[in-house]
Amino acid sequence: DQQVKQNSPSLSVQEGRISILNCDYTNSMFDYFLWYKKYPAEGPTFLISISSIKDKNEDGRFTVFLNKSAKHLSLHIVPSQPGDSAVYFCAAFSGSARQLTFGSGTQLTVLP
Amino acid sequence: ETGVTQTPRHLVMGMTNKKSLKCEQHLGHNAMYWYKQSAKKPLELMFVYSLEERVENNSVPSRFSPECPNSSHLFLHLHTLQPEDSALYLCASSQDPPSGGINEQFFGPGTRLTVL
Repeated sequence: DQQVKQNSPSLSVQEGRISILNCDYTNSMFDYFLWYKKYPAEGPTFLISISSIKDKNEDGRFTVFLNKSAKHLSLHIVPSQPGDSAVYFCAAFSGSARQLTFGSGTQLTVLP
Repeated sequence: ETGVTQTPRHLVMGMTNKKSLKCEQHLGHNAMYWYKQSAKKPLELMFVYSLEERVENNSVPSRFSPECPNSSHLFLHLHTLQPEDSALYLCASSQDPPSGGINEQFFGPGTRLTVL
């Protein structure tokens, strides 16, 4: 059973608008969460993270929100740019297990 | 460039072949990982090495054999694979324990493996 789920395999957004990528998890013991971005023919690259004790973290155009009661996090990209088109992976880290658990990814396409 | 390189980038092999995937990190990290990414599935952690010792083996079949001769190099030896093993194999590295509490892993570009 997947502990980290990204239920939307794809998302299309117009350039300049907001992109919202969602992620749900089942393990309440995760210590923090990360978003990775992956272009074709490249490995995933770290984008932004949030500690389980926070509810928001912002870095430029990227903001991650964490709702612990709902076991849900989301990544907001504002404004979206064509260069943001990539696969976005949500990941959760357990300090006790010392490993990352990934979701299946969401393909974001930003249309010019 | 993330500081993690993988070779080869593409590999086609038969079910009876023996091949090896290589990963090298130039980041001074002390932990390295092998992941498998199949289409439309999450990245699956296969092996974790910390300080050159294997600390995790997530029930990976014995036809996959990792080797970590030092903290900068990681290999995945492959033998008698099955067609369902065709996937993107990603290597990553990090600092263990993580500084600042965040286990940010740096990934290589992956090896696209096709088993015929």
